Amino acid sequence: SQQGEEDPQALSIQEGENATMNCSYKTSINNLQWYRQNSGRGLVHLILIRSNEREKHSGRLRVTLDTSKKSSSLLITASRAADTASYFCATGAGSYQLTFGKGTKLSVIP
Amino acid sequence: SQTIHQWPATLVQPVGSPLSLECTVEGTSNPNLYWYRQAAGRGLQLLFYSVGIGQISSEVPQNLSASRPQDRQFILSSKKLLLSDSGFYLCAWSLLNSGANVLTFGAGSRLTVL
Repeated sequence: SQQGEEDPQALSIQEGENATMNCSYKTSINNLQWYRQNSGRGLVHLILIRSNEREKHSGRLRVTLDTSKKSSSLLITASRAADTASYFCATGAGSYQLTFGKGTKLSVIP
Repeated sequence: SQTIHQWPATLVQPVGSPLSLECTVEGTSNPNLYWYRQAAGRGLQLLFYSVGIGQISSEVPQNLSASRPQDRQFILSSKKLLLSDSGFYLCAWSLLNSGANVLTFGAGSRLTVL
């Protein structure tokens, strides 16, 4: 079963704008991860945030985690056309499994 | 450095035919290995995972099976394909590190069953 649910399902922005995607989940987690998938390709890991962390940065990426609300957000600042892709959140509970959401499809218009 | 190879990249098969998708990992030992399926417009569904040779856990009862004949080889099979088996199949590997499982994915295999 899928636990993470991304919102919105699709997002279209102009190059240079910020893109914000949200993820909600239902059960307790050990960590939450964000992945990116270019069309027709495999997923690429972007960033991991543990349950005891509230915010994490990596380059133009900023991830927040609110365990009380069971939600996370991914912010991509100063977006570029090359950021066009689908973005997935995945939740881990400390075991071997990761549970993925359905993804947000981001289109960055040059 | 570690690499993951998955093949074939695309496959068109008739209903009732067999299937074999292969995945190999290089540059690491005793990885956790995974098969996911992604239907059009949907998220990833975990099909199988393996934490060691000959150890296979199935997440979804279905027409598929998996095997791990070698430490870094993971095979997804079917004896008779169904139309519903069409999709994008992704192999991935990880090393469980401090309770966090970061997956590295292959490029995927697109299966169309006609």
